[in-house]
Amino acid sequence: SYVLTQPPSVSVAPGQTATITCGGNDIQTQSVHWYQLRPGQAPVLVVYHDSDRPSGIPERFSGSNSANTATLTISRVEAGDEADYYCQVWDIVSDHAVVFGGGTKLTVL
Amino acid sequence: QVHLVQSGAEVKKPGASVRVSCKASGYTFTAYYIHWVRLAPGQRLEWLGFINPISGGIKYSQHFQGRVTMTTDTSLRTAYMELSRLTSDDTALYYCARPAVENDILTAYDVWGQGTQVTVSS
Repeated sequence: SYVLTQPPSVSVAPGQTATITCGGNDIQTQSVHWYQLRPGQAPVLVVYHDSDRPSGIPERFSGSNSANTATLTISRVEAGDEADYYCQVWDIVSDHAVVFGGGTKLTVL
Repeated sequence: QVHLVQSGAEVKKPGASVRVSCKASGYTFTAYYIHWVRLAPGQRLEWLGFINPISGGIKYSQHFQGRVTMTTDTSLRTAYMELSRLTSDDTALYYCARPAVENDILTAYDVWGQGTQVTVSS
């Protein structure tokens, strides 16, 4: 089955840029979605189809996808951005199933 | 406004079954698949499967095949997920989620339920 690999944690100071990666074999051929998950709350979609942003999500959130790595970038990080972030794809090659990355805990210092 | 409202927390003994409901409002229930995802302590988000409310078409994750059953009641605009033969590893927060595009299983989830805590303990 398809595997997505994320760093367990990323730490940044307020106002700086956070970069969260999602590694997968030839992931550039996949459509990658990103979710923000705060404790006790439902996940929130922050980027879809690699780099599109849902309405209501700040422009500070952006995404890219190239070769074997998809990236979620959060510019001008705020304290409220502290959360877990998960990448997701639909594995159409092997299992025909939804696959999530392991999640990355973003800590705002 | 679009909402998915799930049933309340459950505590079950090992070997039992649990059924979680997910009631939709604010959109055409039959036009969108419903997916189920869980988050266990210290684990990653895990997909259980999806159901097509209008056709009843289903796809289960291989990991849960044989233990999970997904159904819908279109008259109540409600989806159900039943998980059987529970173990402590099934202790998790269970979510229902709706894809952003009608009749499309590949798109991102733009609407989520609030989550239902299922605790399995003897």
